[in-house]
Formats: sequence, structure tokens, C-alpha cells
Amino acid sequence: DTAVSQTPKYLVTQMGNDKSIKCEQNLGHDTMYWYKQDSKKFLKIMFSYNNKELIINETVPNRFSPKSPDKAHLNLHINSLELGDSAVYFCASSQVSSGAGHEQFFGPGTRLTVL
Amino acid sequence: DAKTTQPPSMDCAEGRAANLPCNHSTISGNEYVYWYRQIHSQGPQYIIHGLKNNETNEMASLIITEDRKSSTLILPHATLRDTAVYYCIVRVAYSGYALNFGKGTSLLVTP
Repeated sequence: DTAVSQTPKYLVTQMGNDKSIKCEQNLGHDTMYWYKQDSKKFLKIMFSYNNKELIINETVPNRFSPKSPDKAHLNLHINSLELGDSAVYFCASSQVSSGAGHEQFFGPGTRLTVL
Repeated sequence: DAKTTQPPSMDCAEGRAANLPCNHSTISGNEYVYWYRQIHSQGPQYIIHGLKNNETNEMASLIITEDRKSSTLILPHATLRDTAVYYCIVRVAYSGYALNFGKGTSLLVTP
């Protein structure tokens, strides 16, 4: 069983379109994250949700809107896509509340290409 | 979170121990040292973490100096599959919940 899964794995789209990336974790974790890895391979946090509540919202354009329908899912919706949004997006999860939240589990990534 | 410094790249022969250093001279008393790695095109993978004592698991060993200003990740018998970027991250447990990845060390294991 895949612990953290993301769909789609690849996403190619035109500038100006709206797209969503889905993330699901089956680990029963209470915290989920979105990270962005740009073309220079820098990996940066975008959002963090704990029990469906937004905890971290880094300096990310408001075109990016995370949505957590339940603790097992954290989806990323992107409006009006721009060339600079091209990157690999990673979802991750961890269990924080029980005091065992040292390890974050990452999904396989979604490679977004904006043309 | 404390800043970390790692060499940009290292080589290691297959079967030998890979020793990856990390400097974190501004580490605070309640900050942990975490190591993650990212194999090409995959999501980052947790390796090990520690606070003060040396730690060992099935993947690696973590040696933290007594003053906690530096640490070394040891892969005892490196294989080609250990070729990856290794990230040393220092942070207070659970603070902000997120990991601040730096540039890491690109480890190349050669036959």
C-alpha cells in the first residue's frame, strides 16, 4: 500500500488554466504538507495543515489554494497558471500530536509543466 | 531554525563507508538534527534524527559532537542505490511542523 499518494504524476497545461493536484495519505497522520521543488532543486514548504486547519502558509501567491476535505486528503488547486509555476510538487504527512512527529513521509511528486 | 552547512558534493566507492558532515554551530538546546535524502526524481526520505546522543538505525548512524555544533551521517556500506542528495536539517521538534531543506550534499557512489 502506498503511504502518501499523489495524482496526477505528470501535469502539462497551458498558461492561464486552472488545475488541481490531489494528495492522500493512509497513515492516519494528523498533519499534511505541500512542498515545491523548483528547477534549481530547492525544496520549500508551501502549506501545512493540522487536523484540517491551516498551520503554515508561506509566501505563496493566492492563486494557490489548499483544500483539506478530511485528515487524509490535502489537495492543491492552482488558478491562472503561470510559467513560473512549473515545478515538482510534493505532498507529505506526519503525526505530530502524539509526540512521534519526527518523520515526514513524502509522496512521489507531481511534475507540473506550464506551457 | 538553526542554519546548516554541508559540502555540495561527495564521492564514495561502493562498499565503503560514506561519511557526510554537517555543521550547525548555532544550534539551540532544544533543536534536533534530522537527515533526509532525495534519490533522483523521488520524494525525500527520512533517514535518522538525534538530539544529543549518537543514533543508529537500519539505514545509517548519526554521530553528534559533544558540543552539538556538528554531526556526521554515516552510511556504513554504501551501495549504488545510496546515490542521492542528503539534507541535514536542524529544527525544534514540531515547531512550524515544516522542514527547511537547504542545498544538501550530492553523494555519488561509484562502482
